[in-house]
Amino acid sequence: GNSVTQMEGPVTLSEEAFLTINCTYTATGYPSLFWYVQYPGEGLQLLLKATKADDKGSNKGFEATYRKETTSFHLEKGSVQVSDSAVYFCALSRVGQGAQKLVFGQGTRLTINP
Amino acid sequence: NAGVMQNPRHLVRRRGQEARLRCSPMKGHSHVYWYRQLPEEGLKFMVYLQKENIIDESGMPKERFSAEFPKEGPSILRIQQVVRGDSAAYFCASSPTHSGSSYNEQFFGPGTRLTVL
Repeated sequence: GNSVTQMEGPVTLSEEAFLTINCTYTATGYPSLFWYVQYPGEGLQLLLKATKADDKGSNKGFEATYRKETTSFHLEKGSVQVSDSAVYFCALSRVGQGAQKLVFGQGTRLTINP
Repeated sequence: NAGVMQNPRHLVRRRGQEARLRCSPMKGHSHVYWYRQLPEEGLKFMVYLQKENIIDESGMPKERFSAEFPKEGPSILRIQQVVRGDSAAYFCASSPTHSGSSYNEQFFGPGTRLTVL
């Protein structure tokens, strides 16, 4: 079946450090891939997405590239800020019937210290 | 334009009681999804509804759980005779449309944290 595996947290970094959160997936066909972010006390917000191989999603300085050969969608940011502290979820949606159903990783809690 | 609203934000129930979780989608959205997040786990899909119709309930437990999205009013996730294992965060999401096999962005609410004593 379809599944998403994320780098285990929590992750703690200093401000301006480089961030990578690993995400790999298992899926039939060519799913769409997403990163969601959840700030304390809030719902999940879509951070970025990619719908086909080699696509790069980007938003707010974050980037992730859809790598079909390694079935990965790692999240990166060159210089993190304290305001980036949140929980990050990698997710995929199936192709075809049931495309509206999101499959999530377990989430990675990120804390940025000043 | 208000986002997806969920209430209550926190709900405490004793074993055997009923829990009712409400979700009001964003204005103009006619599709609602419920997800459950158990402690230390990712979100798991439960059910997908349109107005007055259940489209996909493949993630719903077979017993005690039900969901509805009436023509008027919010979507309700109902858990009867709650047990401690039902303690989790329940998230609702909505989307504006569903066009065949393409994905439409889902907008999430803040969640309801259910604690069963």
